[in-house]
Amino acid sequence: QEQVVESGGGLVKPGGSLRLSCVASGFVFSDYDMHWVRQAPGKGLEWVSYITSSSSTIYYADSVKGRFTISRDNARNSLYLRMDSLRAEDAAIYYCARGGGYSYGDAFDMWGQGTMVTVSS
Amino acid sequence: SYDLIQPPSVSVSPGQTVSISCSGDKLGGKFASWYQQKPGQSPGLVIYEDKRRPSGIPERFSGSNSGNTATLTISGAQAMDEAEYFCQAWDSRAVLFGGGTKLSVL
Repeated sequence: QEQVVESGGGLVKPGGSLRLSCVASGFVFSDYDMHWVRQAPGKGLEWVSYITSSSSTIYYADSVKGRFTISRDNARNSLYLRMDSLRAEDAAIYYCARGGGYSYGDAFDMWGQGTMVTVSS
Repeated sequence: SYDLIQPPSVSVSPGQTVSISCSGDKLGGKFASWYQQKPGQSPGLVIYEDKRRPSGIPERFSGSNSGNTATLTISGAQAMDEAEYFCQAWDSRAVLFGGGTKLSVL
């Protein structure tokens, strides 16, 4: 069964750091581009960051540029998001999502269950 | 910055047809995707590349994209379709999501 499972969320103080992980299984992780998407409580979806299958290209939303770092380890079937200088407005459920690849193109064809990040003193 | 605009809410009677719009400058020149999200669940893909349905998505879901507007249409809406729907597209080096539309099936 193809799936991605996030972990690493929790409560952090403003200005603090957190590292999220996403472990993939059931598919060839190294074949797919990956994304992080977040959703604040009761709000819509906000794209956070993108990384290609080989890590050769990385993009960030302006709201996190310079504070967040996306990376992956294809040998471990894992995607990461290092979050520094966290702000109250970064509080959200963070989803790991798979890029659509050859089958689904620009779409996000698989989503994890999400991991909650709370930023509060 | 580039924005995708959706109506906050729409409603439909069971069995009727409903359309949800997503507007953005020259959106028709990009590929639009649509996601369904029910309370407490992760989003799920229902339309990709403007009009294509992933396997397992019912035929009542269809999409179109032209000019400045992408549209998700549900023909013969069912109670199980009540959810929030988000459009999505790429713009240069960023991914954009619409603000979401809550569909009520009344």
